[in-house]
Parts: sequence; C-alpha cells; structure tokens
Amino acid sequence: KNQVEQSPQSLIILEGKNCTLQCNYTVSPFSNLRWYKQDTGRGPVSLTIMTFSENTKSNGRYTATLDADTKQSSLHITASQLSDSASYICVVTDSWGKLQFGAGTQVVVTP
Amino acid sequence: DAGVTQSPTHLIKTRGQHVTLRCSPISGHKSVSWYQQVLGQGPQFIFQYYEKEERGRGNFPDRFSARQFPNYSSELNVNALLLGDSALYLCASSLADVGAGGYNEQFFGPGTRLTVL
Repeated sequence: KNQVEQSPQSLIILEGKNCTLQCNYTVSPFSNLRWYKQDTGRGPVSLTIMTFSENTKSNGRYTATLDADTKQSSLHITASQLSDSASYICVVTDSWGKLQFGAGTQVVVTP
Repeated sequence: DAGVTQSPTHLIKTRGQHVTLRCSPISGHKSVSWYQQVLGQGPQFIFQYYEKEERGRGNFPDRFSARQFPNYSSELNVNALLLGDSALYLCASSLADVGAGGYNEQFFGPGTRLTVL
C-alpha cells in the first residue's frame, strides 16, 4: 500500500479560481514533506518543503500546510493561472532519507 | 548554473534491446538517484549512488543496473527491454548522501522518455 495518498486524482478549474489539493501519509519516522510541480514530460520542481515543526509555507500563489499529528498536508493554489496546469506531487521523506512519492494530482486550468 | 541534465531526451527501442541513459548532476553534487515514472503515477525509486558507491536499490529486476563515474555523472542501463519498461526515467542529484535527511533536497532533471515497442 502506498504510504502517500493524494486526492483528488485530477481536477479542472477555471482561470482565476482557487483550489486545494490533499495529501495523507503514513510514512514514519517523518523527516519532511515537499510539494513538487511537474509539467508534462518534465522533471518535478520543488515548490515547498516543511519539517515536523512547520505548519505552513508559502511560495508565491502556492501555500502548503502540514498537520503532523493527523499526517495530512494540503497545497492551496490562489488565483490560478493557465501555467498552473501540471501534476502536483506530494513527497514525504523519512528519517533515513528515503523518499515516498504520491501518485500526484493532475490540475487543468481552463480559460 | 546548469541544472541536472539527462540524455537522450527521447528514445525508442524494441523489446529485447538494451538501453543506456545518462545523467550529469549539478556541479558539486555527489549523490545521484534514478527513478522510473510510468504515465499517471508518481516516480518509483530505482537506484541511489553517492561517491561512486551504490547506497540504495529499489524493487526492480536485475535487468536494471547503474553506475556512477569519478566526475559524479551516472548511467542507468536496462537489458532485455520489456514493453512495461516504457516510462519517463528521472535522475535527481543532491549535495549530500540521501541518508543525511533534513533539507538535503534532490533536484530533478528533465527526464528521458523511453518507449519500448
């Protein structure tokens, strides 16, 4: 069973609207959680990173939250743009440095 | 500064053939990891090398092998290709060994798209 589950699998939003992606994990012991943006056919690019003690981290219009008690994270995209169309992958690192990847949420922003 | 580079960008092979994929890490990075990403899924870990030594291996058959050179570049080799090997192969580099944990971020290359016919 995958230790990192993301939802929804995909979503379509209108340009200018906001959306929130979810990530639940069971990875333990926990080191950090990253959100990556992956354009089609390209490598993932890091958006945010949070450790156990961090609850929120922003990068421009992207805001990630982390609840280490419930092992949940979210990525909020504000005022979406066409360039936000991509797959967003949640990656959890354990204390030994092993990365566990979620399957990603495919976001499509339409005009 | 150049990021992680991979070659070739695209590759088409037939079943049973052999393929070699190449990766050059960010200058100064000594750790290289390889991932396989099937369409619609997250990357799956294949290998990790640090200072030319294999430090980790994922659940892949022996048809998959890799090595790291003195300049820290790396090759991933796949023998006896199967249709199921069709995927995006990602290389990631980091400054320290993956086991260092913390903020030792892995930087990904653009990937090599392998199609097996």
